[in-house]
Amino acid sequence: NAGVTQTPKFRILKIGQSMTLQCTQDMNHNYMYWYRQDPGMGLKLIYYSVGAGITDKGEVPNGYNVSRSTTEDFPLRLELAAPSQTSVYFCASSYSAGVTPTDEQFFGPGTRLTVL
Amino acid sequence: ELKVEQNPLFLSMQEGKNYTIYCNYSTTSDRLYWYRQDPGKSLESLFVLLSNGAVKQEGRLMASLDTKARLSTLHITAAVHDLSATYFCAVVPSNNNDMRFGAGTRLTVKP
Repeated sequence: NAGVTQTPKFRILKIGQSMTLQCTQDMNHNYMYWYRQDPGMGLKLIYYSVGAGITDKGEVPNGYNVSRSTTEDFPLRLELAAPSQTSVYFCASSYSAGVTPTDEQFFGPGTRLTVL
Repeated sequence: ELKVEQNPLFLSMQEGKNYTIYCNYSTTSDRLYWYRQDPGKSLESLFVLLSNGAVKQEGRLMASLDTKARLSTLHITAAVHDLSATYFCAVVPSNNNDMRFGAGTRLTVKP
C-alpha cells in the first residue's frame, strides 16, 4: 500500500491564482481530512469528509473548497490564492472517527505552498 | 470553542532523564491523540486514547488520559536523542469530528 499520497510536493502561486491539491489514499478509509500547518504551529483542520459525497467544514475553511466523489480521492481547491494561505498542507485518512483503538489518522507527506 | 493547550512548548532535556508533557483541553471529549513530527516531515501517530483512564505505552513513551480533568500526559522515560522531535496532542470534541491540535512541544534531547 502507498498509504496517503499528495501532489504536488511544492508549489509557488501568484496572488489570485487557483490550484488544486490532490490527495489519494489506498487503504479504503472512510474518513479523510485536510489540515494546514503554519510555521512553528500545530495543525488546523480545513475540511473533512466522512465518506464519498459528504464533506464538512473544519476550523479554517474560508478560501478553500473540497469535493469527495470517490472513497480514494479528496482534492482541496484554492480559488483565489492569498499570501495568508502560504502554509504546509497535510491530507490524512482514517477508517472511522476514533471509535476503535486502531482508528489513528494516517498523514500524507504534505504540500508546501507559497503564495507571492 | 475547543481550546487545546500544551506545555511546555519547548523542552530541552538530557539523555537518561524523565519528563512529562501536558495537554489540557477545554471541552468534553473522549478521543485524544498524540503525534510525533520530525523537522520537515509529516506526522506519525503515536497513541490513540479513547476512554477515561486509558494508558498506553510504547518504548520510552507512555500516554494517559483523564477525561474528568480534561488532561492528557505524555511521559518520557530515560530519554534518548532519537526522541528529539515535536510532539502534538489533538482532541476531537464529543459532538463533532473537528479535531483540534495543540501548538506542539519541541523536544530536544542532549547527550
